[in-house]
Amino acid sequence: NAGVMQNPRHLVRRRGQEARLRCSPVKGHSHVYWYRQLPEEGLKFMVYLQKENIIDESGMPKERFSAEFPKEGPSILRIQQVVRGDSAAYFCASSPGGQNSNQPQHFGDGTRLSIL
Amino acid sequence: GDSVTQMEGPVTLSEEAFLTINCTYTATGYPSLFWYVQYPGEGLQLLLKATKADDKGSNKGFEATYRKETTSFHLEKGSVQVSDSAVYFCALKQNNDMRFGAGTRLTVKP
Repeated sequence: NAGVMQNPRHLVRRRGQEARLRCSPVKGHSHVYWYRQLPEEGLKFMVYLQKENIIDESGMPKERFSAEFPKEGPSILRIQQVVRGDSAAYFCASSPGGQNSNQPQHFGDGTRLSIL
Repeated sequence: GDSVTQMEGPVTLSEEAFLTINCTYTATGYPSLFWYVQYPGEGLQLLLKATKADDKGSNKGFEATYRKETTSFHLEKGSVQVSDSAVYFCALKQNNDMRFGAGTRLTVKP
């Protein structure tokens, strides 16, 4: 069984460009979470999605950032007009949800975004 | 709201030393508790878990016991190895809401 798959592993963008980060959850998992991690720091929650719905986006900046988890295909975290401060590792996690609401999250290996 | 507080690092130990990383939580209800480990350049991996009071999670020589009376879930290992050097995160989950501690960096020296 494949775990959470994130791509790309590394992404380099110039200031002002768009960054798209993809996450395919564990097969059968309907809940996806995105986190950001700066070097030597902990995880910062960004957004929690279920299929076709954003459940909690309280940790995501109101401007330039958006996330989706369509009925078909991976979850996408999109950052428009990137700035140097967006450089970080972005992690996706998934969990089963439903009756299994207290089950652990499974993490991908992250996308390391570097802004030139 | 629910929260997790864990021991600040960094922690530096010699090989074969005893390890304790403290973790306490605040929650209404009955969350599940977890320890995750993050090796350099990788994502978080689930290390162990406990789903109810007095449960003991264990894996790879690490243990943690869910103590409801002290709202704690301290991580312990009797004899650490150099390969245990990593960042350790305590976490709780309740009703699909996950909360992480700030992480504790452990360095084990030969």
